[in-house]
Amino acid sequence: GAVVSQHPSRVICKSGTSVKIECRSLDFQATTMFWYRQFPKQSLMLMATSNEGSKATYEQGVEKDKFLINHASLTLSTLTVTSAHPEDSSFYICSASPSGPGLYEQYFGPGTRLTVT
Amino acid sequence: TQLLEQSPQFLSIQEGENLTVYCNSSSVFSSLQWYRQEPGEGPVLLVTVVTGGEVKKLKRLTFQFGDARKDSSLHITAAQTGDTGLYLCAGFGDSGYALNFGKGTSLLVTP
Repeated sequence: GAVVSQHPSRVICKSGTSVKIECRSLDFQATTMFWYRQFPKQSLMLMATSNEGSKATYEQGVEKDKFLINHASLTLSTLTVTSAHPEDSSFYICSASPSGPGLYEQYFGPGTRLTVT
Repeated sequence: TQLLEQSPQFLSIQEGENLTVYCNSSSVFSSLQWYRQEPGEGPVLLVTVVTGGEVKKLKRLTFQFGDARKDSSLHITAAQTGDTGLYLCAGFGDSGYALNFGKGTSLLVTP
């Protein structure tokens, strides 16, 4: 149980285009989902927290107009990288919390490798 | 932001050796988690420690939470090549529901 999927697993796009990444909780409902990015040989950095039916909360330094997050249902959150640039190339990982905030359960997806050329 | 410092950053050992990875902070955490991540994959939760002084064992892995709940350690006995990966400690931040990750310890176990 508690499986989180991401789609696509890898994507290559040209500079200036937009890319959408999906995060799905397959066997549970996720009130809260989180988006992280990870650069090579570095740790995960939280980008934003997504709550179903409300606006995402972005971490300091993360441009909300560039990284659009939609959490329209209890099993799906999407991250859209708009007008992507090479510096946006990174490993994007989502996680989902089945029990809401404050508890210990947070399940991670397998990640999406974004390469912007 | 509650920072978590991990050491060492990189560790290369031979199969059969023992090792310890440390996770330290100046802040108190209600709990700390340890994850293991392989290249190109998401992190996988290994353990959650909640009580100060708590020790948890997972086969050859021993996790300890400091008495003051500001630090934690991961000890691996008789490392195997399959233990290779990035080990991350994480704690819930000020918001109470978002995880702050340490920078990670990259472990390489060679035959």
